[in-house]
Amino acid sequence: NAGVTQTPKFQVLKTGQSMTLQCAQDMNHNSMYWYRQDPGMGLRLIYYSASEGTTDKGEVPNGYNVSRLNKREFSLRLESAAPSQTSVYFCASSPMGANTGELFFGEGSRLTVL
Amino acid sequence: KQEVTQIPAALSVPEGENLVLNCSFTDSAIYNLQWFRQDPGKGLTSLLLIQSSQREQTSGRLNASLDKSSGRSTLYIAASQPGDSATYLCAPSADYKLSFGAGTTVTVRA
Repeated sequence: NAGVTQTPKFQVLKTGQSMTLQCAQDMNHNSMYWYRQDPGMGLRLIYYSASEGTTDKGEVPNGYNVSRLNKREFSLRLESAAPSQTSVYFCASSPMGANTGELFFGEGSRLTVL
Repeated sequence: KQEVTQIPAALSVPEGENLVLNCSFTDSAIYNLQWFRQDPGKGLTSLLLIQSSQREQTSGRLNASLDKSSGRSTLYIAASQPGDSATYLCAPSADYKLSFGAGTTVTVRA
């Protein structure tokens, strides 16, 4: 059972470069999320998509864009990477949204910006 | 903005002891609260989900309580084992979003 799959697992960028983190879920979930995790700070929500065709900003959206390509896929783009975006990024999905159901997480994408 | 605090930040116990992990949150208008486990270098695994109308939820050796009005939840792990060593995070939900605490890192010594 694949669940939530994130690619790439590791990436090193130089300041100013762009990249896209990919996320796909095979559980037919409606809602998808992107979080970042930094030491001692817990997970912070970047963007979320409550359903296919909708996206909304979370707590820390600056410097990021997202695309809900279809029900399965939710990508996160860094247009001009900065060292402050060095972090571990997690994608998650939920059947009906965080208000009603469990969240299922991917294994994470570890990004270093030099 | 929901603020979530988990105390203690780290905990080390001998095998067999019961664990008590605390979580407090500032906004009591939540829909549910989830407890997660995170192993080093891995993603998060959901352990228990408590709906706002529930007082507790149990799964095997795990029991989580919720006092919504006082903004508190507690995760109890009975008869701890070395395999329980991990970071445990709590996350109340509101407005279709979860807010996370920084977690409690547990080490169970054999």
